[in-house]
Amino acid sequence: LAKTTQPISMDSYEGQEVNITCSHNNIATNDYITWYQQFPSQGPRFIIQGYKTKVTNEVASLFIPADRKSSTLSLPRVSLSDTAVYYCLVGGANTDKLIFGTGTRLQVFP
Amino acid sequence: NAGVMQNPRHLVRRRGQEARLRCSPMKGHSHVYWYRQLPEEGLKFMVYLQKENIIDESGMPKERFSAEFPKEGPSILRIQQVVRGDSAAYFCATTPDRNSGNTIYFGEGSWLTVV
Repeated sequence: LAKTTQPISMDSYEGQEVNITCSHNNIATNDYITWYQQFPSQGPRFIIQGYKTKVTNEVASLFIPADRKSSTLSLPRVSLSDTAVYYCLVGGANTDKLIFGTGTRLQVFP
Repeated sequence: NAGVMQNPRHLVRRRGQEARLRCSPMKGHSHVYWYRQLPEEGLKFMVYLQKENIIDESGMPKERFSAEFPKEGPSILRIQQVVRGDSAAYFCATTPDRNSGNTIYFGEGSWLTVV
């Protein structure tokens, strides 16, 4: 299983773009990269998933370079409600146990 | 998270009692993960099951903890003779099959407090 490394915490202000990078140096060929968001006292919520290049949805964008050894979650114009912990998860088909890293605690200030 | 149902949401047990946490997967999902989360910490993998089969239980403590996912009914995480250190949030996540990669859908969690 590919181990992931993320910054422990990040601070931002409302309206700014936030980029959270995850390192996964030993990612396997069939692994996907998935990001989850967790608010206090709630279960993690799926945000976005990608395999390579760029993926965008209504919530975020995910940038994956050609070597796939890292990925960057981009949150455009964050608001106070984006304050949460963000987890990067790497795994593929037939991945038996999905191991979450420590996550990045994003604090958005007014 | 709509569709993955966990109950009870909050459970208080005295030391030595048993705790049973239930997880009903989303419709069409036949695979269940259980995770434990201590306050201010990350999600720790416990066990991965499909109906009537434990696929990976390498994250389960060797004693007092067990999990099942019967053919009918919810998945159950059972903790016998609870101790204060078992106090945590327990999350289940489900997926349609083993080939869904890491797109799993979480329930809202069950908070166990041992007094």
